[in-house]
Amino acid sequence: DSGVTQTPKHLITATGQRVTLRCSPRSGDLSVYWYQQSLDQGLQFLIHYYNGEERAKGNILERFSAQQFPDLHSELNLSSLELGDSALYFCASSRAGGFSTDTQYFGPGTRLTVL
Amino acid sequence: AQTVTQSQPEMSVQEAETVTLSCTYDTSESDYYLFWYKQPPSRQMILVIRQEAYKQQNATENRFSVNFQKAAKSFSLKISDSQLGDAAMYFCAYGQNFVFGPGTRLSVLP
Repeated sequence: DSGVTQTPKHLITATGQRVTLRCSPRSGDLSVYWYQQSLDQGLQFLIHYYNGEERAKGNILERFSAQQFPDLHSELNLSSLELGDSALYFCASSRAGGFSTDTQYFGPGTRLTVL
Repeated sequence: AQTVTQSQPEMSVQEAETVTLSCTYDTSESDYYLFWYKQPPSRQMILVIRQEAYKQQNATENRFSVNFQKAAKSFSLKISDSQLGDAAMYFCAYGQNFVFGPGTRLSVLP
């Protein structure tokens, strides 16, 4: 158990809908990262937040947005969902904001299925 | 942009034997971290080992060790005394922007 929690574990929805994925980092961690992993694919970095502020953006679609709240939990919002958005979405956290040096600890992921 | 390459999509090893997974990366940075993560069938991402580029000594964690060749930009993972529980996808990752390689699927044969 990494100490990172993600809810829900599974989410099934229809095309065109909007969903919110939630992540709580490990106690004391200030950074939260979001990744997308499609079936049998590697991980694609989406976005990084440090202490409430956006630090880096990766391959995140305009239909997707995220935020980190004062209590450091984070939410990833996915809207106008398409079939291709079906994937495993991971949240990870790290102690500080050193994107290149911090060890990231991953949550169990949220499996999103878009029908 | 940084890239990470894992040239072995699949590998297999006999239980109790040793296997080495390859990883190469491309960067112009001089200070960075490299990571190996394991993803078993449960899909959980588990940190296996990390290497700091400024350290010449190769990192070791129990049965897992790396061969880090900075000049060659190579970062291979050696698993000794392989166990059935080592069967998983293994991802190499470069710290800056956390770029992941495509993964190597490791099977452990009894």
